[in-house]
Parts: sequence; C-alpha cells; structure tokens
Amino acid sequence: DAGVTQSPTHLIKTRGQHVTLRCSPISGHKSVSWYQQVLGQGPQFIFQYYEKEERGRGNFPDRFSARQFPNYSSELNVNALLLGDSALYLCASSLGGQGASGYTFGSGTRLTVV
Amino acid sequence: EDQVTQSPEALRLQEGESSSLNCSYTVSGLRGLFWYRQDPGKGPEFLFTLYSAGEEKEKERLKATLTKKESFLHITAPKPEDSATYLCAVQATRENAGNMLTFGGGTRLMVKP
Repeated sequence: DAGVTQSPTHLIKTRGQHVTLRCSPISGHKSVSWYQQVLGQGPQFIFQYYEKEERGRGNFPDRFSARQFPNYSSELNVNALLLGDSALYLCASSLGGQGASGYTFGSGTRLTVV
Repeated sequence: EDQVTQSPEALRLQEGESSSLNCSYTVSGLRGLFWYRQDPGKGPEFLFTLYSAGEEKEKERLKATLTKKESFLHITAPKPEDSATYLCAVQATRENAGNMLTFGGGTRLMVKP
C-alpha cells in the first residue's frame, strides 16, 4: 500500500509569489492535516480537513488556505510568500476526523523562499 | 492553550549507554500522547500512543511511560541507528480540537559507536 504522498518534494519560490502543495492520503483515510515545520522546531498545525470540510485551523494568517477534494486528496495554498514561510510542509492522513488515532505523515515538501 | 516541552534539546550517547528523554505537557483534557521519530529531511514516523497515566508501551529498545504531567521515552542500550529527532505530541479532548496534535520542539539524539 502506498503511504501518504506529497508533491513536489522540493521547490524554490520568490517572495510575493504563490505556491500550491499537494497531498494524497493513504487509501481509505478521509482526514488530511497540514503542518509547518521550521528547521530545528517541532511541527505546527495549520489545517485539518475531514470529508471535504475544514475541521480545524491553526494560528496562521489568511495567506494560508487549503481544500480537500472528493477523492480525499488535498491542496495547501500559500499566497504572498514571505522569507519566513521557508519550511518543511508536512501532510498527515488518518481514518477519522477526531479521536486519538495516530496520523501517518508524508515525507513533506521542502519550500525555500528567496 | 496546550503546551509541550521536551528536554534535553540534544543528547549525545555512547553506544550501549541507556538514557531517558522527557516530555512535559499541559492540556485541557488529554485524549492521547504520541511519540514520533524523525530522520533528517523526512516526515515523522509513529512510535507510540499513550492514553492514560500509568500506561507503558515498548518497542525494541524503546519504552514510553506516561504520568499526568509528563512522559518519558527510555532508550535501553542504544545503537547508532537510533540517532534521530524524537518528537512528543498531545491531542486534546476539546470538541473543536479535531485530531490536531500539539508538538514539542523535539530531542535530537546522537548515538556514537
């Protein structure tokens, strides 16, 4: 079985540009969550989607948005990129929208803003 | 607000030298406490979930324990391949928390042969 897949693996963007990151969850998983991990820190929650609805939002500016598609894949969009947005963006999928079921993380997208 | 603090930030051990990593937490109702291992440039890999104080779980050289305020990850006779960053995270029982995890900053473990 394929795990959580994220694309692209790496990308470099210029300040002010827009970026779209993509995530395909494990087959059968209906919840996708996004995390930002700055170098040397733990992951920080951005969004959770379950059954195509937003279930949670972290403390991030409105420049960050996301959506989930009918096949449960998800996109994270970031507008007006800042240098501080440089980070590893992690997607995690889980069976349900709530509860203590652990996530399975993808390998992430490394975003560098120059 | 949920908070997780991990210590030490970095730990260097000789192969075979046992030690413990600490995770202190405050949360408004604990649904679960999670331990993950993360290798450089990769996503976190699930190790354990603990649900209530007194619970313990083991996997190879790793053993996780939980109290009402903290969790420990004990590493017995570590090997160089155990070198990684170990992350602790909590999940709250609040209705609007979804399945959000709040992570600590991690402990970077280096095991020398």
